[in-house]
Amino acid sequence: ELKVEQNPLFLSMQEGKNYTIYCNYSTTSDRLYWYRQDPGKSLESLFVLLSNGAVKQEGRLMASLDTKARLSTLHITAAVHDLSATYFCAVVELEYGNKLVFGAGTILRVKS
Amino acid sequence: SAVISQKPSRDICQRGTSLTIQCQVDSQVTMMFWYRQQPGQSLTLIATANQGSEATYESGFVIDKFPISRPNLTFSTLTVSNMSPEDSSIYLCSVIRRLSTEAFFGQGTRLTVV
Repeated sequence: ELKVEQNPLFLSMQEGKNYTIYCNYSTTSDRLYWYRQDPGKSLESLFVLLSNGAVKQEGRLMASLDTKARLSTLHITAAVHDLSATYFCAVVELEYGNKLVFGAGTILRVKS
Repeated sequence: SAVISQKPSRDICQRGTSLTIQCQVDSQVTMMFWYRQQPGQSLTLIATANQGSEATYESGFVIDKFPISRPNLTFSTLTVSNMSPEDSSIYLCSVIRRLSTEAFFGQGTRLTVV
C-alpha cells in the first residue's frame, strides 16, 4: 500500500525567505502532483512530475522529482504573502490505475 | 484544463437524509473519481466512478452509503445516504482527461449535516 509523507505540516515564513517542502512516498510510481488549496476552495493544479530528475518552475515555486529516492520537493523562493495556502503532494498508486494518494498537506503562512 | 461543474457548492442537511452531488465535465474523460476531505484533513479517495458499471470503492467506503453513478463519459453523481454529522466534509470530483496525465478537481461540495 502506497504511503505518502509530507513535511513539514506547518510552515511559518517571513516574506523574502526561501524554504522547501518535502514529499516522500513508499512504493514505485510514475507520476507525482503538487496542488495548492486556499481556504474554502478546491485544489489548483501546480505541477505534474513524470520522470526522474524532472524539474518544473512557475514563478516562485519550483518542484523536482527523484524517483530513485522516492522524493519530491517544492521549493519556495523569496516568499510573498500571496503564497499563503495549503500545499498537497499526491502520488499515483500504479497498481490501482490512476488513483491518487495524498500527503497530509503543508499549511504555509507567509508573514509580511 | 478541464472545465468541471460540480453541484451543489454547499448544502446544510438534516441527519438521516440523503444528498446527491453532480459532476459534469466539458469533454470526455477516461477516469472520474470522488474524494472526501474532512475538516482540516487531506483528501481520501472514496471510489472510482466507472462508466456503465459499478463503482470501485476504497476500503472503508461502501456502495450503500455512497452510491455512485456514471451513465456516460462526462457525468457522474455521488449520493451521501442516511447522513450523520460525521459526514460533514468537502466532497470533490476529480477527472483525468483522455491522452493527458493531469488530474483536475471540481469546485467541491461543502456538506454540513445537522
